[in-house]
Amino acid sequence: SFELTQPPSVSVSPGQTARITCSGDALPKQYAYWYQQKAGQAPVLVIYKDTERPSGIPERFSGSSSGTTVTLTISGVQAEDEADYYCQTADGTFIVEFGGGTKLTVL
Amino acid sequence: QLQLQESGPGLVKPSETLSLTCSVSGDSINNNNYLWGWVRQSPGKGLEWIGTVYYNGNTYYNPSLKSRVTVSADMSKNQFSLKLNSVTAADTAVYSCTRLNHYGAGSVCFDTWGQGTLVAVSS
Repeated sequence: SFELTQPPSVSVSPGQTARITCSGDALPKQYAYWYQQKAGQAPVLVIYKDTERPSGIPERFSGSSSGTTVTLTISGVQAEDEADYYCQTADGTFIVEFGGGTKLTVL
Repeated sequence: QLQLQESGPGLVKPSETLSLTCSVSGDSINNNNYLWGWVRQSPGKGLEWIGTVYYNGNTYYNPSLKSRVTVSADMSKNQFSLKLNSVTAADTAVYSCTRLNHYGAGSVCFDTWGQGTLVAVSS
């Protein structure tokens, strides 16, 4: 198996920039994906293929990749961005792994 | 608009088999553009991928669950199913059916989710 490591929590004030990291040995070779999950709701894909943003996702969400770490950046955080965020990748044979999740708190 | 809807018992006894079905509307599961799969989330925990089925019948499973899981597709009904046998309390979770998009080299992501259904394992 392969693992993805995320910080359990990140806190920011409204208007600031939140950065959530995800580390794993597979990431230099495989795409990373990010999901937002608000309380009681299904996850929503917010970044795909490391840096691409699906239609309907605000521009303040962006993704980047460097070596074994990918980063989800939320610029100008709003109260509505408070949620759990999960990174995800696959190993090249359709075997999927999720990170443990990061709780974003907007102070 | 694509919609995924899970159905099945909300309570399963220990050692028995958990069975869920996902009904798909707004897309056909019988095409090579997407895969279809299951993800679960135990109360207060993170997301755990269970398994995936492709239109050609190929299946892919989480290695930690592989010995107990079967995911299958019924093209005639535009549905796919999950069976998890020998369940224990640790299998209590919200189970969600999903559509997966693939980007080559075995890379996939979950672009559409059902609302999920809570399955409790208890006697």
